[in-house]
Amino acid sequence: TQLLEQSPQFLSIQEGENLTVYCNSSSVFSSLQWYRQEPGEGPVLLVTVVTGGEVKKLKRLTFQFGDARKDSSLHITAAQTGDTGLYLCAGAIGGYNKLIFGAGTRLAVHP
Amino acid sequence: ETGVTQSPTHLIKTRGQQVTLRCSSQSGHNTVSWYQQALGQGPQFIFQYYREEENGRGNFPPRFSGLQFPNYSSELNVNALELDDSALYLCASSRAAGGYQETQYFGPGTRLLVL
Repeated sequence: TQLLEQSPQFLSIQEGENLTVYCNSSSVFSSLQWYRQEPGEGPVLLVTVVTGGEVKKLKRLTFQFGDARKDSSLHITAAQTGDTGLYLCAGAIGGYNKLIFGAGTRLAVHP
Repeated sequence: ETGVTQSPTHLIKTRGQQVTLRCSSQSGHNTVSWYQQALGQGPQFIFQYYREEENGRGNFPPRFSGLQFPNYSSELNVNALELDDSALYLCASSRAAGGYQETQYFGPGTRLLVL
């Protein structure tokens, strides 16, 4: 059974703080995606990482794929209230890219 | 916006009934994947359709079935509804290129409540 464990499950911080969300598995993934989901809506893609050790930056968000392609992290610098939401990591398995999702990290950024 | 649309947005059914959910894929995409997201959990893969055929299935019983049409839109059918089927149902479209599925883009989902 392939599992993706995300931590922490919940995070409540003040505006301006930094944070890191982790995504870990014992399985190797062909790629890993990070999504952000608002209540009642579908997940919105933030980034796809493919190569072991890859680092991608999206403004204040930094994504890293582990060297062995089993884990990933999302770091947010100087969080803003607009960053509030559910962050999901998803690893792709197989040629047809079945996505295995973590349970998500619910982030609340307070002014 | 991803260009992936789903209908209906909300649906209420009773146990034992059947339901059909619909998804229109993004322009240029030929593959649709369906996911079930229970409250407080991440989405779970149901199945994927490519070229009108099932192309992979998750751990869901046969009462979950699907179709893909020549225009690449798709339907998810669930028979004999159970209370635990209450969830947000998401479809995601992608493009197959060189035998490899590219990144999936999600629709807004259909919220199903089974009473």
